[in-house]
Amino acid sequence: KAGVTQTPRYLIKTRGQQVTLSCSPISGHRSVSWYQQTPGQGLQFLFEYFSETQRNKGNFPGRFSGRQFSNSRSEMNVSTLELGDSALYLCASSLGPGGARDYGYTFGSGTRLTVV
Amino acid sequence: GNSVTQMEGPVTLSEEAFLTINCTYTATGYPSLFWYVQYPGEGLQLLLKATKADDKGSNKGFEATYRKETTSFHLEKGSVQVSDSAVYFCALSENTGFQKLVFGTGTRLLVSP
Repeated sequence: KAGVTQTPRYLIKTRGQQVTLSCSPISGHRSVSWYQQTPGQGLQFLFEYFSETQRNKGNFPGRFSGRQFSNSRSEMNVSTLELGDSALYLCASSLGPGGARDYGYTFGSGTRLTVV
Repeated sequence: GNSVTQMEGPVTLSEEAFLTINCTYTATGYPSLFWYVQYPGEGLQLLLKATKADDKGSNKGFEATYRKETTSFHLEKGSVQVSDSAVYFCALSENTGFQKLVFGTGTRLLVSP
C-alpha cells in the first residue's frame, strides 16, 4: 500500500514569504502529526490533527499553522519565513489519535525547506 | 519535562563489528521507548519498540532492552553491515494522553566494508 506522501520534496523560499506543505497519510489513517528536523534543535513536534481538529500543538510561534481535510490530508503553513525556518519537515500518519505507542507512526520522506 | 540523551556520533565501525548506541531518558511516569532509523534522503522508520520495563524490542538483528532501573534503552547489533549505515534516533512517548514522540539528537552510524 502507498506510504505517507509529502509534497513538494524540496522548496526554496525567500525571507518574508509564506509556504504551504502537503501531506497525504496512508489510506485509512486519520491522524497526522508534523515534526521539524534541524541540525541544531533535532526533531521537534509541531502539531497533530485528528478528524480535522488540531488536538495538540508544540512550542512554535503562531506563524506555524496547519489544517486537516475531510480525507485526512493535511497541510502546514509557515508565514513570514525566517532563515531559521530552514529545516526538514516530516509528516507522520497514524490510525488513531496521539498514538505513538498504541498505533505507531509512519513517517513520510519529508519536505526540505530552504529559506534564503 | 521528558527528554532523551544519545551518544554523540558518528560511530564508525567495520563490517561484522558489534554495535552499541547508548540511550538514556528522563520521564515522568513510565514511557514507551523506541528506536527509529533514518536512511539518507528518507524519513524515519520504526526499528523497534518496548512499552514496559524489561521488555526487549528486536528487529533485523537489532535489539534493545527497556531498563527502568538505569533509565536506559541501548541499541545493539551483533554484526553490522554496510547497509546499516544511517542515523539512529532514540525516542520516548508517554503512555497516557497524547503520545507524542520526544526524540534524542540522533547518532550517525558509518559502516565500512
